[in-house]
Amino acid sequence: QKEVEQNSGPLSVPEGAIASLNCTYSDRGSQSFFWYRQYSGKSPELIMFIYSNGDKEDGRFTAQLNKASQYVSLLIRDSQPSDSATYLCAVDRGGADGLTFGKGTHLIIQP
Amino acid sequence: EADIYQTPRYLVIGTGKKITLECSQTMGHDKMYWYQQDPGMELHLIHYSYGVNSTEKGDLSSESTVSRIRTEHFPLTLESARPSHTSQYLCASSESAEGDTEAFFGQGTRLTVV
Repeated sequence: QKEVEQNSGPLSVPEGAIASLNCTYSDRGSQSFFWYRQYSGKSPELIMFIYSNGDKEDGRFTAQLNKASQYVSLLIRDSQPSDSATYLCAVDRGGADGLTFGKGTHLIIQP
Repeated sequence: EADIYQTPRYLVIGTGKKITLECSQTMGHDKMYWYQQDPGMELHLIHYSYGVNSTEKGDLSSESTVSRIRTEHFPLTLESARPSHTSQYLCASSESAEGDTEAFFGQGTRLTVV
């Protein structure tokens, strides 16, 4: 059973601080890794994707990938109250189509 | 903003009824997906399609069926709805470029079977 594990939280971070979200995955064949943001009652929206080991930065967001450790993370700098949401880690199904999602981490940014 | 649409947004229906959830995308994407998500839980892939006349089952077993007669349309059907089918159903699509599985989601259909 291919799995994606995330700490469900809630993770509470003061406004302006760095929020760090973590994810581990079980399928060593996975090559593509995604972070989605989902507001309550809404559909997921893509924040970032990463394919190669190392860091990838996009504005206030940085995704980090370590395939040897099967670990993906998302850093949110200068956290804003509007960043409060559930963040879903998703991983490709190792050659099969579609994505395997984690349960998500509920992030709360405290004003 | 992604152009993928689901109807209805909300549906309350009685046990035993046949229902079809609609999903359409205007991006010309070959790949389309149906995910099921219960409140506070992860999304589970239940069906996907590589293109016209292609349908595959996902990780989570589902009593629903899908069809792909046109590229832009990927409806999901439940022949006889049951309370256990109560959930949110999310449709998604992506380009078929190799290594690119970035998926764009519709707004979802929240189904309640009473």
